[in-house]
Amino acid sequence: QSALTQPASVSGSPGQSITISCTGISSDVGGHTYVSWYQQHPGKAPKFLIYDVGNRPSGVSNRFSGSKSGNTASLIISGLQAEDEGDYYCGSYTSNTFSWLFGGGTKLTVL
Amino acid sequence: QVQLVQSGTEVKKPGASVKVSCKASGYTFTSYGIGWVRQAPGQGLEWMGWISTSSGYTNYAQKLQGRLTMTTDRFTNTAYMDLKNLRSEDTAMYYCAREGSWSFEYWGQGTLVTVSS
Repeated sequence: QSALTQPASVSGSPGQSITISCTGISSDVGGHTYVSWYQQHPGKAPKFLIYDVGNRPSGVSNRFSGSKSGNTASLIISGLQAEDEGDYYCGSYTSNTFSWLFGGGTKLTVL
Repeated sequence: QVQLVQSGTEVKKPGASVKVSCKASGYTFTSYGIGWVRQAPGQGLEWMGWISTSSGYTNYAQKLQGRLTMTTDRFTNTAYMDLKNLRSEDTAMYYCAREGSWSFEYWGQGTLVTVSS
């Protein structure tokens, strides 16, 4: 099964907002709300950011939010800060194979 | 607090096997599944499989079927990932993660596995 599709890179200036998209198909992103997002800094383990499309775990900044339309989910980061620079991955449960898929990752650069 | 602590770096020759451990603490081990995810150097995340810590049921990524075995020990709250017949393309950082709400909520620190002759 192919990975979910994310843009390779996005960039923004401090204080701006950016959106990272994650496109799948009807059996994964489009078929349910089990979409999640992760942040990874170089040399570190991924950090859990968003679950069920748009819910934040305790302790995650409200500058991070998520949404979904059809087969595409989105991560929105508002009020960009230098510490937001890193790689971002979407993930989705796939209902037809009872497995998980990740996106290819998006590198966020804060200019 | 929830912690997943993995075993240390491994260097293996092609054709060998590796077994990585993931010791959980700070929660009831059998209440959450464990997923394993790997990341080749400079690449993205790849889901390898998932194990139910209560029943032992497993589901593996199709490309790893036949080479991958996941197990758990409920007495020591430890999950294990065993990959056999290693190839150079298995060189990666391997992560365990606690699964909840159909997401991977807490991650281990990672175990680097290098396959080289």
